[in-house]
Amino acid sequence: AQTVTQSQPEMSVQEAETVTLSCTYDTSENNYYLFWYKQPPSRQMILVIRQEAYKQQNATENRFSVNFQKAAKSFSLKISDSQLGDTAMYFCAFMIFYGGSQGNLIFGKGTKLSVKP
Amino acid sequence: DSGVTQTPKHLITATGQRVTLRCSPRSGDLSVYWYQQSLDQGLQFLIQYYNGEERAKGNILERFSAQQFPDLHSELNLSSLELGDSALYFCASSGVMGHSGNTIYFGEGSWLTVV
Repeated sequence: AQTVTQSQPEMSVQEAETVTLSCTYDTSENNYYLFWYKQPPSRQMILVIRQEAYKQQNATENRFSVNFQKAAKSFSLKISDSQLGDTAMYFCAFMIFYGGSQGNLIFGKGTKLSVKP
Repeated sequence: DSGVTQTPKHLITATGQRVTLRCSPRSGDLSVYWYQQSLDQGLQFLIQYYNGEERAKGNILERFSAQQFPDLHSELNLSSLELGDSALYFCASSGVMGHSGNTIYFGEGSWLTVV
């Protein structure tokens, strides 16, 4: 079975500090992409960052970066200089490619992050 | 703005009724996905269409059905509604693989409340 596990249901961080959200996944497939999505109180799903599994270099997007460990099937998200607007539910997900076509996103249960002033 | 449009944004209906949720994908995107998010649940994949054809099925109930039309918009039909069907229903879309097709963009969702 293909699964995503986010072991931290809730986390909090002080404004301007750094926080890391954990994610592990399980798949026997080799071709996939990994994602972090943010869902603020408005409930909109917003893409934060994407990582191609075939790339060794960790993806970065401004204050957001990932630590991708393919052998360990680990994909953590680091948020630097946390801002109040980062308060949201964060979902880790992966998407498998089958024979050149893409499958659907498989999500973890999410980590609720609160940024405190 | 992701470019994925969903209507209606909010819907309240009674048990036993039928509703249709509509989705317009991003311009040029061929794949449409439907997800369900209940209050205390994560995102559950329901179904995927690619260029009008059903591509994958997830945990979609038999009371639910979907289709993708030639203009690529999609509809999710929910019938014989139960209280437990109350949820946020997301539509998402993606393009052809290799042309930004490896990212799925979400609409703002349709809130369904069954009373």
